[in-house]
Amino acid sequence: GESVGLHLPTLSVQEGDNSIINCAYSNSASDYFIWYKQESGKGPQFIIDIRSNMDKRQGQRVTVLLNKTVKHLSLQIAATQPGDSAVYFCAEMMGAQKLVFGQGTRLTINP
Amino acid sequence: GAVVSQHPSWVICKSGTSVKIECRSLDFQATTMFWYRQFPKQSLMLMATSNEGSKATYEQGVEKDKFLINHASLTLSTLTVTSAHPEDSSFYICSARTVTLKAAGELFFGEGSRLTVL
Repeated sequence: GESVGLHLPTLSVQEGDNSIINCAYSNSASDYFIWYKQESGKGPQFIIDIRSNMDKRQGQRVTVLLNKTVKHLSLQIAATQPGDSAVYFCAEMMGAQKLVFGQGTRLTINP
Repeated sequence: GAVVSQHPSWVICKSGTSVKIECRSLDFQATTMFWYRQFPKQSLMLMATSNEGSKATYEQGVEKDKFLINHASLTLSTLTVTSAHPEDSSFYICSARTVTLKAAGELFFGEGSRLTVL
């Protein structure tokens, strides 16, 4: 199946610092991208999305950057809080039919 | 906001038995539902796409006779894991979308169902 998983990489940051989570996507034809947050034992929670005609989009404390040249997405979280601890996934929309998830990154906030 | 409900949230069964997981859209009609499987410390892997009233489309490597998907109404899709074995133990997550997918707000995820096969 798609998005064959590996063990999740981990990012540890100090509370209050900014976090940057990176993601490489696979399909150059994908035109819609979404970041999700997943807490333990729960389903994915929408954070922010971006279309391929944009290279940056901002939300509340979060910013998504898209670099289509190198097929790279990043999620920036400002002033991280303990509640931000979770696994973060990028996902790409393929042909407006299905959503395929990337590998994921576990974010740990240190007090 | 729109809600997708999965039931059961967790289930334990004996090897060789079949288990059914339900995915319901509570306040909207879902023409398409997606089923994902997630192993510990891994990403969500798309298993199949389920369209109301038609056969599901399975991803490569997913056995359609093993994972039976039924989408009989616009608010309900079911995933049946037949003759379950310990290697089928996983977290199964469904998502549902309305007629058109214009933004992530139209794609909603359930809270997942954890299957443990003994």
